[in-house]
Amino acid sequence: AQTVTQSQPEMSVQEAETVTLSCTYDTSESDYYLFWYKQPPSRQMILVIRQEAYKQQNATENRFSVNFQKAAKSFSLKISDSQLGDAAMYFCASLSRNTDKLIFGTGTRLQVFP
Amino acid sequence: GAVVSQHPSWVICKSGTSVKIECRSLDFQATTMFWYRQFPKQSLMLMATSNEGSKATYEQGVEKDKFLINHASLTLSTLTVTSAHPEDSSFYICSARADRSYGYTFGSGTRLTVV
Repeated sequence: AQTVTQSQPEMSVQEAETVTLSCTYDTSESDYYLFWYKQPPSRQMILVIRQEAYKQQNATENRFSVNFQKAAKSFSLKISDSQLGDAAMYFCASLSRNTDKLIFGTGTRLQVFP
Repeated sequence: GAVVSQHPSWVICKSGTSVKIECRSLDFQATTMFWYRQFPKQSLMLMATSNEGSKATYEQGVEKDKFLINHASLTLSTLTVTSAHPEDSSFYICSARADRSYGYTFGSGTRLTVV
């Protein structure tokens, strides 16, 4: 079974600063993907970044990067140079190639202060 | 990029009536679509997997007779909430994948209120 855990219900950061959101997961699969999704107040789910489990190199997308620790089953998201528009709910998710199901964590609400 | 359209965006219905929500993949074919339910300030809970041309697969605890799913074509899946009750009020989101490695594309969601 897949499980995803986000231990930080809320986080806050000052504009232009850096913040890291934590995520741990558990899976018995060897072939899987990990994702971070953003859900702003509009509630539209937006893909932020993805990571293939077989790749050791951490994914990066502009100001967003991940720290993927496969042995520890940890997948944290780092947001650099935070902007007011980054304020949203952030969900960590895992996708098993075997089950084809995208399973979400409980989410972290990020506030950005000017 | 892959776009998923979901309608309606919000609906209010009377208790005991049925409501249908549509999910369309606009620029790709989706043999599989997924339906999620999200309670206020909570995560997305997978309800069911919708398979084109066959029966949907429901997650444990989801009433298949309450939440009817039909995936009649490669671009359309529908979720019908039958005999709706106030406890069915929630935010429902559909998703589909154009490319598994890029995760899933989501519809904009439907806020259902049963009065």
